[in-house]
Amino acid sequence: SQKIEQNSEALNIQEGKTATLTCNYTNYSPAYLQWYRQDPGRGPVFLLLIRENEKEKRKERLKVTFDTTLKQSLFHITASQPADSATYLCALAFDNYGQNFVFGPGTRLSVLP
Amino acid sequence: KAGVTQTPRYLIKTRGQQVTLSCSPISGHRSVSWYQQTPGQGLQFLFEYFSETQRNKGNFPGRFSGRQFSNSRSEMNVSTLELGDSALYLCASRDDGRIVNTEAFFGQGTRLTVV
Repeated sequence: SQKIEQNSEALNIQEGKTATLTCNYTNYSPAYLQWYRQDPGRGPVFLLLIRENEKEKRKERLKVTFDTTLKQSLFHITASQPADSATYLCALAFDNYGQNFVFGPGTRLSVLP
Repeated sequence: KAGVTQTPRYLIKTRGQQVTLSCSPISGHRSVSWYQQTPGQGLQFLFEYFSETQRNKGNFPGRFSGRQFSNSRSEMNVSTLELGDSALYLCASRDDGRIVNTEAFFGQGTRLTVV
C-alpha cells in the first residue's frame, strides 16, 4: 500500500530563515500533490497544488517542488515568521476523479522569534 | 461566501451508541468528503459523495456510513461506537468533484469523544 512520510514530526527554525519540509512517498506517483496548513483545533487550509508534470510552483513566500524520480516533494517557506508556526500536511491524489486523498502524517513547524 | 459548516463541534458518546455528524458544504459545491484525524493515524479518508452518490470509499468498517442530500449537505453515521472512534472528524467540499485537481475546503471538524 502507499506510504507517505514527512521528514520529521517537528521542525524548529529561527525567524527569517527558510523552512524546508519534505514529503516522500513509495510505490506509484500521484497525479498531483497538495500542501495544507493546519492550526490546532481547526481543519486544514489549502496552500499549493503541483501536478506530476510540473517541477515547481510558487505563491508569495511559498515554493513547492515535485520530483517523481526521487518520489519527493519539498515545501519551502522563505523569510519565515512566527505566524507560520503550524502543522503542514502533504496530500497525494492518485487519480483525477473523486477525492481520495492520502495525507502524510504532517510536520509541526515552529518558527522561533 | 460561508465556509464549510460542521455540527456539532464537540460530542461525547458512550461505547455502543451511535452518532450522526453533519456537514454543510460551501454553496454550489457538490463533492463532500469525510476524514478521520487521530494523533496516531493522522488524517484518513473515509468516503466521498458527489451528487448524492458515494464515489470513493476508504478502508473503514461498515459501522461508518454516510449519505448526501439533494442540497449537497452530508451526514456521517457511526454505529456501535468504540473507544478507538474518538477522533476529529473533518469534512471537505469541492466546487466540482469531476475536476479533482482543485483545492478542498475543510470545515472546523467535530471532536468526538467515546467514553
